[in-house]
Amino acid sequence: ETGVTQTPRHLVMGMTNKKSLKCEQHLGHNAMYWYKQSAKKPLELMFVYNFKEQTENNSVPSRFSPECPNSSHLFLHLHTLQPEDSALYLCASSPYSGEETQYFGPGTRLLVL
Amino acid sequence: GENVEQHPSTLSVQEGDSAVIKCTYSDSASNYFPWYKQELGKRPQLIIDIRSNVGEKKDQRIAVTLNKTAKHFSLHITETQPEDSAVYFCAASSGSARQLTFGSGTQLTVLP
Repeated sequence: ETGVTQTPRHLVMGMTNKKSLKCEQHLGHNAMYWYKQSAKKPLELMFVYNFKEQTENNSVPSRFSPECPNSSHLFLHLHTLQPEDSALYLCASSPYSGEETQYFGPGTRLLVL
Repeated sequence: GENVEQHPSTLSVQEGDSAVIKCTYSDSASNYFPWYKQELGKRPQLIIDIRSNVGEKKDQRIAVTLNKTAKHFSLHITETQPEDSAVYFCAASSGSARQLTFGSGTQLTVLP
């Protein structure tokens, strides 16, 4: 599947590192999302971008910093993370923000040591 | 904000039997209710969705029912097959931006 791609697929980082996750969608969508998926917990919406503008920030700590340079690309910049931030980070896109089918990427499995 | 509760957390059925997963939501303004399937190590994928203007929707072996009065909706899988084994998530739209709030997931295992 090539609709929504994410890199890297796996990432191990120390608490003092800075890293970035990348998401790219080839579906011509205008909305992009970051979700956090932890074991035995619901998918947690982190950020929403609609037409490159951030429309939602679900009280996410500032150590997570999103960037959306255009409607096809979405980044999540990480710095001074905590071990409890270890999770699967999923990117998704939809034609527009709101009540639309969301298409997910394969995720980045993040481990913070 | 929206609260979506999903039950059961795990479900095992024999191949050929039916499986039912139930979700309740709290926001009476919710209008959109998708169901996603996530196989082990793979991305979530939409399998069916329903909007508040209908009470039931069916797609081959999969159906979803919605009771807006009671604020609950259910996923029904008939004639289950081993490849139906996965985690299933329900979701409901909520908030001014109508974003999705997900349930905690149901691990379905279909025993051959």
